[in-house]
Amino acid sequence: GAVVSQHPSRVICKSGTSVKIECRSLDFQATTMFWYRQFPKKSLMLMATSNEGSKATYEQGVEKDKFLINHASLTLSTLTVTSAHPEDSSFYICSASPDTLYGYTFGSGTRLTVV
Amino acid sequence: KQEVTQIPAALSVPEGENLVLNCSFTDSAIYNLQWFRQDPGKGLTSLLLIQSSQREQTSGRLNASLDKSSGRSTLYIAASQPGDSATYLCAVRPMNSGYSTLTFGKGTMLLVSP
Repeated sequence: GAVVSQHPSRVICKSGTSVKIECRSLDFQATTMFWYRQFPKKSLMLMATSNEGSKATYEQGVEKDKFLINHASLTLSTLTVTSAHPEDSSFYICSASPDTLYGYTFGSGTRLTVV
Repeated sequence: KQEVTQIPAALSVPEGENLVLNCSFTDSAIYNLQWFRQDPGKGLTSLLLIQSSQREQTSGRLNASLDKSSGRSTLYIAASQPGDSATYLCAVRPMNSGYSTLTFGKGTMLLVSP
C-alpha cells in the first residue's frame, strides 16, 4: 500500500514554456503532499507543501509564481513550472503519507530539462 | 530546529562485507525514522520505517536500530552485494505537526565492488 505515482518521468521543454508535473496517491487519500527539488549529487530540497483545497505553503526562496501548485483533489497534486528557463532544469520529486503511523512514500521523480 | 547528520558521507567496500551506516538527529520529538535508498537519477525507495516506540526493524539483509533518547540510528547491511550500491538517506518525521515533512540527512554514498 501507500503508492505514489509521478508523471512524467522525463520532460524536455523549450525556454519560456510551462511544464506540468503530476503526483497521485493511488491507494490512499493525501490531504498534504510535498514537492522536492534535487540538484545533481545533492540532497533533497523541500520546495513547498501542497494542501488539498487551500493554498500551498512555499519554502523560503522558492518563487510561488514560478512554481504553481494545485491540489484540487485528495489524490492529485500538480506542480507547474511556468516560463521555464535552463536554470529550472532539475529533478523534481513528490511525496505523501497516509498518516503519522506510516512512512512517507515518494514518487519516482521527474527529470526536467529546459533547452 | 531538527538537524540530521549521516556518517560516513561515502563508503567503498568489497563485496561480502557487513557494514554500518550511521544517522544522528538533534531533536528526539519524532514520530518515526525512515531509511531510504536512492539510485542515481531515480526516486527514493523506502527501506525501513521505525516508529518512535520501536528499537529496531529488519528486512532481509537490512537491520535498522533506533535509540531515540540519544538521537541515533544505524542501518546494518549484512553480506553486501554490488546491487547495494546507492545513496542511503536517513530521515526523521518531527512531532511538531501531523503532516510535517521529513528532515533528511545528506546521505551516505555506498559503493560495493565485486
